[in-house]
Amino acid sequence: AQSVTQLGSHVSVSEGALVLLRCNYSSSVPPYLFWYVQYPNQGLQLLLKYTSAATLVKGINGFEAEFKKSETSFHLTKPSAHMSDAAEYFCAVSLSSTNTGFQKLVFGTGTRLLVSP
Amino acid sequence: DTAVSQTPKYLVTQMGNDKSIKCEQNLGHDTMYWYKQDSKKFLKIMFSYNNKELIINETVPNRFSPKSPDKAHLNLHINSLELGDSAVYFCASSQGLTQETQYFGPGTRLLVL
Repeated sequence: AQSVTQLGSHVSVSEGALVLLRCNYSSSVPPYLFWYVQYPNQGLQLLLKYTSAATLVKGINGFEAEFKKSETSFHLTKPSAHMSDAAEYFCAVSLSSTNTGFQKLVFGTGTRLLVSP
Repeated sequence: DTAVSQTPKYLVTQMGNDKSIKCEQNLGHDTMYWYKQDSKKFLKIMFSYNNKELIINETVPNRFSPKSPDKAHLNLHINSLELGDSAVYFCASSQGLTQETQYFGPGTRLLVL
């Protein structure tokens, strides 16, 4: 079965520092992978997604992620953190049934990004 | 011009009561979902509907009954509420059954006392 593991429930960085949020997946076939962000008291918003077109995926707000098959990873990065980046970040993998074709997102446990001045 | 909206935003109720949460999307999508986010922020899918038909039912207690009157609406009715039902419930929608982006509503915060 496919799943995702997010290492680190909390990540703290200083404003202007590099942001690195880790996500590893387990899958026997190339997966579809997503990063979503949840700001306090809000719903989830898509940051970026990997659909096998390119291994380096650029998203909104300066975030990007690189799909590395050899490491089964899809880590999220941003060169310079802003205070407004403080939020909960979720990695997710899409499961697709060969019978029905339905899509089901399986989420990681989330990583809270804290940004200090 | 909210894409995915949910009502109510907050719901506080007593154990044993029955309550409903409503969801509407104006994106023209044909697939809608209900997710539950627990107190540890863990998100898990509950149900999914495609063109008003149930396509995912993730071993949710039968006290939870979704209903999709049309493609733009997906409601969630919960009978005999229990303390463990306290959570944030998110509605989402997407176009099609492939690996498309899901758009989430703002969530309904349910507290069962």
